[in-house]
Amino acid sequence: DAKTTQPPSMDCAEGRAANLPCNHSTISGNEYVYWYRQIHSQGPQYIIHGLKNNETNEMASLIITEDRKSSTLILPHATLRDTAVYYCIVRVGYNQGGKLIFGQGTELSVKP
Amino acid sequence: DAGVTQSPTHLIKTRGQHVTLRCSPISGHKSVSWYQQVLGQGPQFIFQYYEKEERGRGNFPDRFSARQFPNYSSELNVNALLLGDSALYLCASSLTGDGTPLHFGNGTRLTVT
Repeated sequence: DAKTTQPPSMDCAEGRAANLPCNHSTISGNEYVYWYRQIHSQGPQYIIHGLKNNETNEMASLIITEDRKSSTLILPHATLRDTAVYYCIVRVGYNQGGKLIFGQGTELSVKP
Repeated sequence: DAGVTQSPTHLIKTRGQHVTLRCSPISGHKSVSWYQQVLGQGPQFIFQYYEKEERGRGNFPDRFSARQFPNYSSELNVNALLLGDSALYLCASSLTGDGTPLHFGNGTRLTVT
């Protein structure tokens, strides 16, 4: 079973920041939080990951709460091409290769 | 650089047949994982291989098997196909087997009739 909970859908206006929440209250100390997105008919695309510190890359920022029980993915200036299903994933067994346990994800619709 | 490539992109099989799906990882990546994605759901982990050895197996029957070759490419085999095996089969590669990000291909769409 997935170790994360996400809202099933969200809308965002083009050009605005998209903030996608995720709960992972049972996360263990050595388990990383990963974010992927999947555009229709394509494979999941890696976005960002983190352990306990906030992370930023060219695609997004990841904010992890101090107790690590939740996180937020921020797309700073959403475009229509960001419309996709976003998966928040706890990577289990990091030091043994680690498998990704996907949940249902959040379907983000970016509207003009 | 080429990403993860999978072949074929689409496949139609009949119940009871077997199928072989192929995956070429990103150059330099030594770990390959396989996932099954049924319509409307998130991908489910099937196998992970690193340096030709199985590192992990998901909750799938023995009809599913895989292997990794010396050039790090991989095959997923499914025997005695069932209608419920119809899905998108995704391959992902990573640099090492110890938790570096996985990069996915666009999958093989298998339809079992």
